[in-house]
Amino acid sequence: QVQLVESGGGVVQPGRSLRLSCTASGFTFSFYAMHWVRQAPGKGLEWVAVISYDGTNKDYADSVKGRFTISRDNSKNTLYLQMNSLRGEDTAVYYCARDFDSWFAFFLYWGQGTLVTVSS
Amino acid sequence: EIVLTQSPGTLSLSPGERATFSCRASQSVSSSYLAWYQQKPGQAPGLLIYGASSRATGIPDRFSGSGSGTDFTLTISRLEPEDFAVYYCQQYGSSPPYTFGQGTKLEIK
Repeated sequence: QVQLVESGGGVVQPGRSLRLSCTASGFTFSFYAMHWVRQAPGKGLEWVAVISYDGTNKDYADSVKGRFTISRDNSKNTLYLQMNSLRGEDTAVYYCARDFDSWFAFFLYWGQGTLVTVSS
Repeated sequence: EIVLTQSPGTLSLSPGERATFSCRASQSVSSSYLAWYQQKPGQAPGLLIYGASSRATGIPDRFSGSGSGTDFTLTISRLEPEDFAVYYCQQYGSSPPYTFGQGTKLEIK
């Protein structure tokens, strides 16, 4: 069965960095685009970033562009989100999500999420 | 950026009743590339509907989606106790950002 397991969340001070990981299993990771979606406490869902199946194409929400970098290692079945210059408004549960196909940008499978808290 | 507005914010109904959720887009969603998700407390969202009207695998047929252009609807024909949750629409028809509505909470009356 498909599994997505996020890790790397925690409490971090404003302006610092954090790297999230998402380890995938149960499907051919290198076939699918992957996304990060976040949810601030008590709020709705916000799409954050996407990376193509081979890592050559990426895109970001304006709110994180220039600060966050999405990447993947297909040999390790792992998706990453490098988050720099973190702000209070980045506090959220971060979900990795598998695309429905190569790049449809809707999400058939989700991880359980990892909480990032940006606070001094 | 396409803005999705969901209504109502909260829907109070009883098991067995019919639920109707609205999702309105600020501009036309190309090819009806609209999805619906259900999220229960403490859980990740789950895909219900894609392509405006196609049910995801394993989703009961009491869930149905309709609409095109800027107006979309999710209907639950007869509510079961497990259906009480928050529902989100999402458009994926244009280039990024892939936006979500703000959600509708379905609560037990």
